Amino acid sequence: GAVVSQHPSRVICKSGTSVKIECRSLDFQATTMFWYRQFPKQSLMLMATSNEGSKATYEQGVEKDKFLINHASLTLSTLTVTSAHPEDSSFYICSAASGTGSNSPLHFGNGTRLTVT
Amino acid sequence: LAKTTQPISMDSYEGQEVNITCSHNNIATNDYITWYQQFPSQGPRFIIQGYKTKVTNEVASLFIPADRKSSTLSLPRVSLSDTAVYYCLVASNTGFQKLVFGTGTRLLVSP
Repeated sequence: GAVVSQHPSRVICKSGTSVKIECRSLDFQATTMFWYRQFPKQSLMLMATSNEGSKATYEQGVEKDKFLINHASLTLSTLTVTSAHPEDSSFYICSAASGTGSNSPLHFGNGTRLTVT
Repeated sequence: LAKTTQPISMDSYEGQEVNITCSHNNIATNDYITWYQQFPSQGPRFIIQGYKTKVTNEVASLFIPADRKSSTLSLPRVSLSDTAVYYCLVASNTGFQKLVFGTGTRLLVSP
């Protein structure tokens, strides 16, 4: 089946530093990927839609200058948390659709646990 | 995007059948219904998807009445490993799925 790989699975960084999270579709091409954030005991919150070759579309309330998204190829999207602060500590998850049909189920990465100290 | 409503939590025992119902009163003609399962510290995993009537795969069944305003995920003979959060999502087929997750249902399976 379609596989989405996310790296790293865990990262601890100091406040003020930047962290890059990679999301790769291993056996399919994904023109569109999605980035979610999830706090403990809460549901996933959509942050942005990543489009290959163009700018990402951010959800309301998500700072585009803080959460930089790059989708440079059909198999890779990256999320960079810039100048991270403790409140950015969260579980970040990416997803991609494997089919060309718009009702194709999304496949999710296993998430990245970010801890900012 | 159609809003979904699910029970916050459910309890069951090993070997029982579990039915989780989701309400989506504002579902549109082009919307599909998809269920995902999420274990702690993992990304959601696709379980099943349907448009109307009944869909069955190797892990679950999905029942959708004629008016499509609700759907029921049925898990036969659950085991401890089925303890997870289950999300019901509704998305249009116009463009790639921009899925907005609701609260989900936290299922606890006990011995």
